[in-house]
Amino acid sequence: EAQVTQNPRYLITVTGKKLTVTCSQNMNHEYMSWYRQDPGLGLRQIYYSMNVEVTDKGDVPEGYKVSRKEKRNFPLILESPSPNQTSLYFCASSLGGASYEQYFGPGTRLTVT
Amino acid sequence: KQEVTQIPAALSVPEGENLVLNCSFTDSAIYNLQWFRQDPGKGLTSLLLIQSSQREQTSGRLNASLDKSSGRSTLYIAASQPGDSATYLCAVRPRNYGQNFVFGPGTRLSVLP
Repeated sequence: EAQVTQNPRYLITVTGKKLTVTCSQNMNHEYMSWYRQDPGLGLRQIYYSMNVEVTDKGDVPEGYKVSRKEKRNFPLILESPSPNQTSLYFCASSLGGASYEQYFGPGTRLTVT
Repeated sequence: KQEVTQIPAALSVPEGENLVLNCSFTDSAIYNLQWFRQDPGKGLTSLLLIQSSQREQTSGRLNASLDKSSGRSTLYIAASQPGDSATYLCAVRPRNYGQNFVFGPGTRLSVLP
């Protein structure tokens, strides 16, 4: 089944403890991205990647890191999480350039205390 | 900077009604516009993708139109059902702002049996 998977789905952690949220797609998509969704602010893009080893900042990149060493994986890294990073995170992928449809993962609900 | 708005913010209708959801964007320079559905606590499901050169797309009871020059899109849902209850999001892919997708805040739809 073609899909985008994220792990973990739920995570509660403490301020400053490094964490990684994994994202994987099995559709051979070139483009992958991370979003966060907050009440009243909607979905905002954190980082995106056009292909392996190519990443770029979205609208809200501060406090996050990403890497794209393989085409299928695009992990989101929070080196020192803070409470304002408590949010619902989504990974998405699309086949390639600007014309293609986006497919979303199921989301990861992160709480930082 | 591209901004996307959606009206109404929430809508409640009896089962069987036809309804229209609205999406507006400030800059007509877009590659495409995509409509999504989001169920509570779940990820986003793609409904329709309209390329900038297209006027409308149809899938089952759903029809989406695009008027790029006026910065508007509508999502028409025919013969609504309780299972259509969800939040509907539109997103545009701007030509002028890198690869970022810009989402609207969503319309929360309730279809009453």
